[in-house]
Amino acid sequence: GESVGLHLPTLSVQEGDNSIINCAYSNSASDYFIWYKQESGKGPQFIIDIRSNMDKRQGQRVTVLLNKTVKHLSLQIAATQPGDSAVYFCAENSSWGKLQFGAGTQVVVTP
Amino acid sequence: NAGVTQTPKFQVLKTGQSMTLQCAQDMNHEYMSWYRQDPGMGLRLIHYSVGAGITDQGEVPNGYNVSRSTTEDFPLRLLSAAPSQTSVYFCASSYSTSGDDEQYFGPGTRLTVT
Repeated sequence: GESVGLHLPTLSVQEGDNSIINCAYSNSASDYFIWYKQESGKGPQFIIDIRSNMDKRQGQRVTVLLNKTVKHLSLQIAATQPGDSAVYFCAENSSWGKLQFGAGTQVVVTP
Repeated sequence: NAGVTQTPKFQVLKTGQSMTLQCAQDMNHEYMSWYRQDPGMGLRLIHYSVGAGITDQGEVPNGYNVSRSTTEDFPLRLLSAAPSQTSVYFCASSYSTSGDDEQYFGPGTRLTVT
């Protein structure tokens, strides 16, 4: 079946550097994508979303890029901080009413 | 607003026992959903509801029942617990019923079946 996947299971980044988390999706019909952050022992927390009629969307310190040609989604975090250490998930609305999540990327921020 | 609340936070069951995981939201959201999270597998959709009286299956519905008698509550029932149902369960809700909107997640219930 179609799935959302992540290229890197673990990303180690130095404090102050920029982070880039990648996500590949295979359902060309998906028109909504979302990034979540999950800290240990907590539920996922919304970061940013993007619809398929956009290529880029910016939030506070975060940017999501969508490349529909190669079915690729990325999350950029500027000036990564220790509080950014978490697991990051991308998700797509693979069909009406349903979000399909990728396996997640662990981001570890080192001093 | 309390957001999405879940009870209990932790539960241990023996194989064959039944139980209900509670979920409530106070944001007047029509859409509610249940996910399970297993190590290395992300979140998988169990069941979802787009309004009171309406439920539908997700990716992994077997072994679970749901009902939606009110907008606020969306309980998940395990009919006969199995070790394969050991997982962390998350409830979520959103304003949009089509899945193209931010979902707000509860804190989770960690379930162990022995």
